[in-house]
Amino acid sequence: DTAVSQTPKYLVTQMGNDKSIKCEQNLGHDTMYWYKQDSKKFLKIMFSYNNKELIINETVPNRFSPKSPDKAHLNLHINSLELGDSAVYFCASSRTNPAVTGSYEQYFGPGTRLTVT
Amino acid sequence: SQKIEQNSEALNIQEGKTATLTCNYTNYSPAYLQWYRQDPGRGPVFLLLIRENEKEKRKERLKVTFDTTLKQSLFHITASQPADSATYLCALYNNNDMRFGAGTRLTVKP
Repeated sequence: DTAVSQTPKYLVTQMGNDKSIKCEQNLGHDTMYWYKQDSKKFLKIMFSYNNKELIINETVPNRFSPKSPDKAHLNLHINSLELGDSAVYFCASSRTNPAVTGSYEQYFGPGTRLTVT
Repeated sequence: SQKIEQNSEALNIQEGKTATLTCNYTNYSPAYLQWYRQDPGRGPVFLLLIRENEKEKRKERLKVTFDTTLKQSLFHITASQPADSATYLCALYNNNDMRFGAGTRLTVKP
């Protein structure tokens, strides 16, 4: 069983388009995340979200927006795509109860490679 | 500004030796430090977590140390195997803020 899944795995699109990447987790976790990994392999957090709170990394342009229809899903919507948005995007999930041993360990999806031309 | 530095971009060692990877940080007070493994084309996989009040953690052939005075974590793989070849990322967590280092690409040669 796949713990964290993302679709699509590859996404090629043109500048100016709007696109979405979907993420689903079947681990029963209550917090989900989106990360961007650029060509230099730096992994940067974009959002963390649970049913109570959305935390946005202040460096993320407002063209990026997370949408969560339920606890198991956190989709990433991107408006007006730019060349610099090309990267691999990872979804992840974790528990947030600090009393649970191993909490905050994150489970990552396989990634979505976005190429903007 | 906050920085996380992993000692080298690449590390090559011989099978059977101990690999030691370093993670240094500045201007940050992590509650937890984590190590992840990332293989090409895949997402990171959690390996170990160590809390700020812990000095050392072990799991099978893996050992992590955490020195909050030096602001440094060391990650050791003993009796290394070619299958340990991957990129290893350290990650610092505090208050919903998770920051990753750039990673060290480890190659274990038979």
